[in-house]
Order: sequence, then structure tokens, then C-alpha cells
Amino acid sequence: DAGVTQSPTHLIKTRGQHVTLRCSPISGHKSVSWYQQVLGQGPQFIFQYYEKEERGRGNFPDRFSARQFPNYSSELNVNALLLGDSALYLCASSRQIRAGAPTAYEQYFGPGTRLTVT
Amino acid sequence: QQQVKQSPQSLIVQKGGISIINCAYENTAFDYFPWYQQFPGKGPALLIAIRPDVSEKKEGRFTISFNKSAKQFSLHIMDSQPGDSATYFCAATRDDKIIFGKGTRLHILP
Repeated sequence: DAGVTQSPTHLIKTRGQHVTLRCSPISGHKSVSWYQQVLGQGPQFIFQYYEKEERGRGNFPDRFSARQFPNYSSELNVNALLLGDSALYLCASSRQIRAGAPTAYEQYFGPGTRLTVT
Repeated sequence: QQQVKQSPQSLIVQKGGISIINCAYENTAFDYFPWYQQFPGKGPALLIAIRPDVSEKKEGRFTISFNKSAKQFSLHIMDSQPGDSATYFCAATRDDKIIFGKGTRLHILP
């Protein structure tokens, strides 16, 4: 089975522009999460969607938005780009590994989109 | 506030040696503790994970040791190989949201 796919692979934008990043989850996975990874740091949680509904949001400004489509693919949008938005943007899809209290999930990551803002 | 603290920041190990990476967490509500391996230019790959009601989990050369009372867990890589050279992230999850440590850059000398 194909893993999580993301497009584009690389992107160069200018300050003030907007960008749309795309993600397709592993077949059968209904949850998609987005993370930002700045060079030399661990990924930081941005958004999570399940069945087209937002299920969580990290500490990111309103310039960041996302949505999930009926086929469970997802888009991350960033408006008014800043130099500090330069990072690797990762998408992950989840599968439930344990039901009950608490329910546990495993997340599988795509290769990421490298965004450079100049 | 850093909810998952990871050490060391970098680690150099001889081929065949044991690599050990340590992590500590603060929130007792975390319900799953995965480790991810990341190569340059790639996304993190799930390596091994443990539930908080288990003290140890072993998969091949990789072992997680978990101490719930101390809120600490560690990754041991036995018989370390040059191909293990990568950045390793410990993490903690709650409700399918992951909090990552800052990562350990591991280099295995041939």
C-alpha cells in the first residue's frame, strides 16, 4: 500500500504570498494531522482533521488554515507568508491501534513539503 | 513549556555498540509513547512505540524501557550500525496528537 503522499516536494515563495500544501493519507485512514518542522527541531503540531471536522489546533496564528475533503485528503493553507514560515511541513495519517479508555493511535508521516520563504 | 525533554542532543557510538537516548515527560495524561527515526530530507518514520502500562518493549535491535513512576522512557539500539545514523525523536501522544522531543542526532562510527 502507498504511504502518505504530499505535494509539492519543494516550494519557494515570497513574503506576503500565500501557499497551499496538499496531502493524501494512507488508504483507510480517516484522520490527517499537519506539523511544522523547523530545521534542527522536532515537528510542531498545527492541525488535526477527522471526517472533515477539525479535531485539534496547535499554537499557530490564524494565517494558518486547513481543510479535509470527503476522500480524506487535506490541504494546508498559509496566508501572508513570513520568513519564519520557512520549514518542512509534514502531514501524517492515523490508524487506531487500541479502542477504549484511552483510545490509542499511531501516526504515519509523509515525506513533507519543504517551503522556503524569501 | 517543553512537555517532552530529550537527551542527549547528539550522540556518537562505535559500530556494534549500544546507543541510548533518554526522554522525560510531564503530563501523566499521555497515552502512547512512540519513537520516530528521521533521515535528512525525509519525514519521520515510526520506529517502535510503547503503552504506559508496559515497562519494556523489544523489536529486533530496538528496545524501549518505560518507567511510569519516574515519567521517563528510553530507547536502546543494540549492535548499532552505520545505517542507524539518523535523528531520533521521542514523543508522547494524547487523543492522537503528538508532542515531540527536540531530537537526538545519532552518528555511528564505522
